[in-house]
This record gives sequence, structure tokens and C-alpha cells, in this order.
Amino acid sequence: AQSVTQPDIHITVSEGASLELRCNYSYGATPYLFWYVQSPGQGLQLLLKYFSGDTLVQGIKGFEAEFKRSQSSFNLRKPSVHWSDAAEYFCAVVGNTGTASKLTFGTGTRLQVTL
Amino acid sequence: DGGITQSPKYLFRKEGQNVTLSCEQNLNHDAMYWYRQDPGQGLRLIYYSQIVNDFQKGDIAEGYSVSREKKESFPLTVTSAQKNPTAFYLCASSPRGQLGEKLFFGSGTQLSVL
Repeated sequence: AQSVTQPDIHITVSEGASLELRCNYSYGATPYLFWYVQSPGQGLQLLLKYFSGDTLVQGIKGFEAEFKRSQSSFNLRKPSVHWSDAAEYFCAVVGNTGTASKLTFGTGTRLQVTL
Repeated sequence: DGGITQSPKYLFRKEGQNVTLSCEQNLNHDAMYWYRQDPGQGLRLIYYSQIVNDFQKGDIAEGYSVSREKKESFPLTVTSAQKNPTAFYLCASSPRGQLGEKLFFGSGTQLSVL
């Protein structure tokens, strides 16, 4: 069965600093990978997704993620964090023989941004 | 604007009571989903539906029921059999429920037990 691990429960960065949120997945073949963001008391918004091809994926709000098969990772990065990026971030995976209903989410990383 | 509307925003349940959470979408999406979110546990799938009049259990369906009589509506009932219902409930939809589709989420309902 597929699974996702987000090892960092909570991260604090200063505004303007770079950011990297970690995501490790477990799946036997090439997975479909996603990053979603959730503001407090709200639903989730898709930041970016990886299916195949270029392993560096660009998303909205200046975020990018890199798929590394050898490390089973799909880490999310941003060169310079803005205070409005404070939110909870979820990595998600679905196997390439599944459907959208088979999406598995990680437990999330809460990002705090200090001014 | 197209989107997903969940109501109410906050809901309180008494012991032994059934409560129903509403989810309506005007995106013309075939597939709809219900997730439960608990602190530190991410999102877990309760039920999903890929077409009207059909739905499937997710990973934690016990104590919940759904219906899909209309394409745009997918209400979730939290029954008295659900012993730990306090959580944030999120409804989502996608165009056809196919692999790799983006999920569109509502803004959630916070359910608490009195």
C-alpha cells in the first residue's frame, strides 16, 4: 500500500529565508505526487503535482518541488518565504494504477513565518 | 463563481444524535469525496462517489452514511454509531474521479460533541 511521511510537524522560518518541506513516499512504481496548502479553517488548495517527465516541478505562489526516485522524496521548496505562506502543507500520493479516490495524504507540516 | 459550498461552518452534536453535513458543488464534477481531518493525522477518506446514485466506502466509513441523488450534492450523515465524531470535515470534488486529477475542496465543517 502507498504511504506518505512528512517528518517535520512544525517548521518556523524568517520572512525572506528559504524553505524546504520534506516528503517521503512509499510506493512500488512511479507514483503521482501532490503538494496541497491549507490556511486555518479552510479547505486545501493544490500547489503543484508530479506525474512524469521533468523531475523539477513548478507550482503556484513561487513554490517548486523535486522528485527524487532514488530517495523516494518529493520535497517542496521556496527561495524566499513571505508571511502569507504561513499555513499547513500536505504531501499526497496516488499509485499510477489507482484513481483520484485513492489519494493518500501525509500528516502535514505547519509552517510559521516570523517577521 | 464556481466552487464547493459546505454548510454549516460549525456544528454541534448531542450524544445519540445523527447530524448531516451539507456539500454542494456547481463545478459540474462527477466525483465527490468526504474527508475527515484530525490534528496530526492528515486527511482520511470517509466516502467517495464517482457518479450519481453510486458511492463507495473509503478508509474510515464506519459510523457514517452518504447519498448521491443529485450530481451537485453529496451530504454526509454522522450517525450515533460514530463514537468519536469531533473533527474537521472536508468535502472535495474532481471532474471524473480519474487518476491524477486535482481535487477542489470546500472550506470545511467543524463538528463538535456537546
